[in-house]
Amino acid sequence: DVKVTQSSRYLVKRTGEKVFLECVQDMDHENMFWYRQDPGLGLRLIYFSYDVKMKEKGDIPEGYSVSREKKERFSLILESASTNQTSMYLCASSVRDRVGTEAFFGQGTRLTVV
Amino acid sequence: QKEVEQNSGPLSVPEGAIASLNCTYSDRGSQSFFWYRQYSGKSPELIMSIYSNGDKEDGRFTAQLNKASQYVSLLIRDSQPSDSATYLCAVNRGWSNFGNEKLTFGTGTRLTIIP
Repeated sequence: DVKVTQSSRYLVKRTGEKVFLECVQDMDHENMFWYRQDPGLGLRLIYFSYDVKMKEKGDIPEGYSVSREKKERFSLILESASTNQTSMYLCASSVRDRVGTEAFFGQGTRLTVV
Repeated sequence: QKEVEQNSGPLSVPEGAIASLNCTYSDRGSQSFFWYRQYSGKSPELIMSIYSNGDKEDGRFTAQLNKASQYVSLLIRDSQPSDSATYLCAVNRGWSNFGNEKLTFGTGTRLTIIP
């Protein structure tokens, strides 16, 4: 079974802190994604990566950065956390294929910024 | 216009009936389509994928795709209380050159099966 593991289920951080969310997948998938999920807004893509050291902005990249130094690990960085970044963060991975394939999700990290 | 649109619901269906969930998308270049189920407090899990026009059946679930109308649907037959969840439609453009792949989700439809 594909396993996507996020480092924390719950996090509480203070405004202005630098926050790291880690995601590891064990299926050798090329693609990795970071989404945030908010009531009424659904899942919104923050960043995705299709290869090591490669990244593409999603729909809402402002205030976030990412790092992919190894194929299995994709990190989301909040440079200076703000209260409007309180959300559920979901990491996903997929095989890279011409027509696109299904994504497998981690368990999610609920981040609260106070 | 949103890239992927779904009726947010809630949609209430009696147990044993057919639940019908609909989704439209805006990008005609989209090549793959997915339905995910998400229980409250859990992460999304894949139910169905469909790539070609027509119907695809898997047990009680049938996905329908009409690329000309840019429309995807999910039918759940013999609905069970355990089917109560939020259903997310997702669309992937695929890639023709680096960086085009983007999996976009609708906001989801909340389905409640009434015993």
